[in-house]
Amino acid sequence: EAEVAQSPRYKITEKSQAVAFWCDPISGHATLYWYRQILGQGPELLVQFQDESVVDDSQLPKDRFSAERLKGVDSTLKIQPAELGDSAMYLCASSLDRGYIQYFGAGTRLSVL
Amino acid sequence: AQTVTQSQPEMSVQEAETVTLSCTYDTSENNYYLFWYKQPPSRQMILVIRQEAYKQQNATENRFSVNFQKAAKSFSLKISDSQLGDTAMYFCAFMNARGAQKLVFGQGTRLTINP
Repeated sequence: EAEVAQSPRYKITEKSQAVAFWCDPISGHATLYWYRQILGQGPELLVQFQDESVVDDSQLPKDRFSAERLKGVDSTLKIQPAELGDSAMYLCASSLDRGYIQYFGAGTRLSVL
Repeated sequence: AQTVTQSQPEMSVQEAETVTLSCTYDTSENNYYLFWYKQPPSRQMILVIRQEAYKQQNATENRFSVNFQKAAKSFSLKISDSQLGDTAMYFCAFMNARGAQKLVFGQGTRLTINP
């Protein structure tokens, strides 16, 4: 069964360092989402791509976060510089198209020290 | 903006019992989708059940069913004959049928099934 792949599973970094997360969606899925999930809370959408274009990045802290999906397939989410408050689970999801069921990856758990 | 509220942070039941998780939402839209997602410990989130707002019939998936009350903006999940594998965080989520169509999640309910 096809799955959304994410790496790394865990990342520990120091404050002010740069970190990057990678996501490979299910083959053929046009829509890709990055969510942040703080411990004990529900996921919050950071950015949504339709193919290689950004559809919604209204909750992305653009002064330190960036995301790209250059060829409309896999995607990278970057944080530079990382802050203590960025410690969270970062989830990637994909769907066949907008409005279709979203399938989630296992996530990357980030700890900023 | 849409909001989703889950008023039960934690619930615990015995195996084989029936349990109901509550969810309310706020929207001015008429056409939307509602979801229940399950997030087992250290595992990825998976879809449990989906409901289209235009459908009056409540969705069911095996032991899982919903009680969708559109006027009251309520969307509860009932798990029948609960199993140990049902232990997980459960998230209620809303998605508008137009626009960016992004998921808005509630805070979650931690459900524990005891043997």
